[in-house]
Amino acid sequence: EIVLTQSPATLSLSPGERVTLSCRASQSVSSYLAWYQQKPGQAPRLLIYDASNRATGIPARFSGSGSGTDFTLTISSLEPDDFAVYYCHQRSNWPQTFGQGTKVEIK
Amino acid sequence: EVQLLESGGGLVQPGGSLRLSCAASGFTFNDYAMSWVRQAPGKGLEWVSSVSSSGGTTYYANSVKGRFILSRDYSKNTLSLQMTSLRAEDTALYYCAKVSTSGPGGWFDPWGQGTLVTVSS
Repeated sequence: EIVLTQSPATLSLSPGERVTLSCRASQSVSSYLAWYQQKPGQAPRLLIYDASNRATGIPARFSGSGSGTDFTLTISSLEPDDFAVYYCHQRSNWPQTFGQGTKVEIK
Repeated sequence: EVQLLESGGGLVQPGGSLRLSCAASGFTFNDYAMSWVRQAPGKGLEWVSSVSSSGGTTYYANSVKGRFILSRDYSKNTLSLQMTSLRAEDTALYYCAKVSTSGPGGWFDPWGQGTLVTVSS
């Protein structure tokens, strides 16, 4: 099973700041990695797929990069609506797995 | 607009059974794989099971293999998860998700709002 390790566990930031979230895979997942956003009481929402492609309707301030084992989700300038938990997800191998999540909270 | 409406959750005793359903609309159900993902209270996401668009290929997490069965009804555009031998660790919010491809290995987009399963005596 591929283990996805996200860091940090929590980030305390202010609106307008740049955010960089990390996801590291225990073995290569090529570019088969996605990022999801989950707000309290809501279902997760797909942000980025295939490591760097924005899903439909996702603002340009969200970007993804990486391949192999190291991936990054960047939010160029935090909006109040962006405070949430972010999960990475790999579909390279069965079972599909998720990272444990990074919480982005208001400082 | 794609809509996924889960139902069937509830309180069940350990060892009991439950059947979850997901009513899909707003897209051609026959063309896409479907999945279930669960989230224990206050915890992260755990993939549970996926089925191809044709229903011919199904995958299960090791934690549910042999206890859960995933199926789809094309006449009703419904995805079902039959859960048996339920354990306390199966307690979670169960999300239905449309997969981005016909094969079961795509991305989850979108997700339903979930149905809560509580396994407790």
